[in-house]
Amino acid sequence: ELKVEQNPLFLSMQEGKNYTIYCNYSTTSDRLYWYRQDPGKSLESLFVLLSNGAVKQEGRLMASLDTKARLSTLHITAAVHDLSATYFCAVNNAGNNRKLIWGLGTSLAVNP
Amino acid sequence: SQTIHQWPATLVQPVGSPLSLECTVEGTSNPNLYWYRQAAGRGLQLLFYSIGIDQISSEVPQNLSASRPQDRQFILSSKKLLLSDSGFYLCAWEEDSNTEAFFGQGTRLTVV
Repeated sequence: ELKVEQNPLFLSMQEGKNYTIYCNYSTTSDRLYWYRQDPGKSLESLFVLLSNGAVKQEGRLMASLDTKARLSTLHITAAVHDLSATYFCAVNNAGNNRKLIWGLGTSLAVNP
Repeated sequence: SQTIHQWPATLVQPVGSPLSLECTVEGTSNPNLYWYRQAAGRGLQLLFYSIGIDQISSEVPQNLSASRPQDRQFILSSKKLLLSDSGFYLCAWEEDSNTEAFFGQGTRLTVV
């Protein structure tokens, strides 16, 4: 059974600092997604990672995928308050109707 | 461009009352459609997914049901709501299982 684990689940950081969120998954998958959710709002797609070694960047966020290690990272550079949100990773379950399996999310608070 | 509409945005219903949440997608055809629930906390629970009209898979046994009467319309229903049905319900669509999912704005349901 495919499982997705994110850590940390809660992260409080200062503006200007760097940090990394990790997403581990347990079985083979062919794609991984990162989403952002603001409090009380819906989910917004951030990145789609399709292959080993894939790296994508948008502003202060950079996501990477290592399919051999079954690990994706979401790196935050010089955090700003606007990045405060919950970040989810989701993995495509290639062996089971291709459904997405979700991590529990990482709640990020960026403090001045 | 494609858009997804989900309504209502908020709903307060008494225990035992029926439920109908509607989701429609524009600008695409034959999308995969999903209903998720997000309880207080954060995790996303897949309730139903559909790969075509009248093709619906249920993920969690419960008192909810889903229907897809038209290609781009997905409806979540219940005949009698329970207190435990409270949560944030999200509809999502994707062009196919190889693409990212896009979410509606969500419905916050409170059963009282």
